[in-house]
Amino acid sequence: ETGVTQSPTHLIKTRGQQVTLRCSSQSGHNTVSWYQQALGQGPQFIFQYYREEENGRGNFPPRFSGLQFPNYSSELNVNALELDDSALYLCASSLAGYTEAFFGQGTRLTVV
Amino acid sequence: AQTVTQSQPEMSVQEAETVTLSCTYDTSENNYYLFWYKQPPSRQMILVIRQEAYKQQNATENRFSVNFQKAAKSFSLKISDSQLGDTAMYFCASISQGGSEKLVFGKGTKLTVNP
Repeated sequence: ETGVTQSPTHLIKTRGQQVTLRCSSQSGHNTVSWYQQALGQGPQFIFQYYREEENGRGNFPPRFSGLQFPNYSSELNVNALELDDSALYLCASSLAGYTEAFFGQGTRLTVV
Repeated sequence: AQTVTQSQPEMSVQEAETVTLSCTYDTSENNYYLFWYKQPPSRQMILVIRQEAYKQQNATENRFSVNFQKAAKSFSLKISDSQLGDTAMYFCASISQGGSEKLVFGKGTKLTVNP
């Protein structure tokens, strides 16, 4: 049974650019959630995908978008990067109906 | 809307001693779960313990136990026989069942275990 893996681990982008972060969910899990964790803060829910459809969204602007693929892996896309987008982005996978979520090690995004 | 509050930004404890981390929450849901997650410097969130709100019995996992006071909306974590490897950020979180099952986290408590 493989765990949740995220890539890349670190990324530096320039303000205004676009970025794509990737997540492979744990084997057998059909739900993926993305969280943003700013420095010194707890994670904030961005959105969740279930069977390739968005299944809930937090208070984030439309320039944050996502995809889930048939194998349940997922991408988080952020357009028009802002300095405040600098954060640790965490992916969590779970099985719908079960509340336990398993997290990846995150992608540290720095916007300069 | 759910909210989770952790009022202790930092705590320290001597190795082998006991420490309690505090958490309060607010929710209008009837069915919800509460969690404590550990985030070491490796950054990966690791589930420490979970509590179903409908269960009155406090959850226990080896050296970790909770004191769940539903009426007071309080959910504290007790770590017994603290070990150096317990040094990490600890986050209290809640989730409600039904609809988007998003976790709502507190701001965390940085725990340092001293030798």
